[in-house]
Amino acid sequence: QKEVEQNSGPLSVPEGAIASLNCTYSDRGSQSFFWYRQYSGKSPELIMFIYSNGDKEDGRFTAQLNKASQYVSLLIRDSQPSDSATYLCAGGNTGGFKTIFGAGTRLFVKA
Amino acid sequence: GAGVSQSPSNKVTEKGKDVELRCDPISGHTALYWYRQSLGQGLEFLIYFQGNSAPDKSGLPSDRFSAERTGGSVSTLTIQRTQQEDSAVYLCASSLEGNTEAFFGQGTRLTVV
Repeated sequence: QKEVEQNSGPLSVPEGAIASLNCTYSDRGSQSFFWYRQYSGKSPELIMFIYSNGDKEDGRFTAQLNKASQYVSLLIRDSQPSDSATYLCAGGNTGGFKTIFGAGTRLFVKA
Repeated sequence: GAGVSQSPSNKVTEKGKDVELRCDPISGHTALYWYRQSLGQGLEFLIYFQGNSAPDKSGLPSDRFSAERTGGSVSTLTIQRTQQEDSAVYLCASSLEGNTEAFFGQGTRLTVV
């Protein structure tokens, strides 16, 4: 079992819709989680991090964490074509010694 | 510079040659990661350095790959006897500690011909 799993997609949503990106993790001891965005030909960059159960909002982005279900999600409201990218979920392993990345979900926002 | 610096940005090498890729992390960052990314694929973990601890080499695909980090700062990834399947973008990232925000360099695009 992969430690951090994501659906590779592609996920296609129309402009203005909500994009929902999901991630599960296997290490129950993981404490912190990150969402990175990677545009084609570019390096990943951090969008959000979340440490506590519940929701965390930042502009059009909401990260959700459910430690009981070992589930992390990223919602993008009012999706724009410029949001088209690969979104990488990452989690820290037990003890916080290493960040482990999922394979990423490709998102396409159609104008 | 304020960010993670990788060199060279592009490298074309002949099959069978050795190559060295360099990563200069953000000053003060104790954690350093190397990843490989093939076209259209996700990040493939290669190796992780954390402070003075023994590196986590669990992702290195073969004994042709090795990496070192000198003085807790600059890291070099060495690929011996390169093969065409080694062609990829090699990304380096550093973070303040093991499980905090990772900052990525711009990568080295390696092409083995």
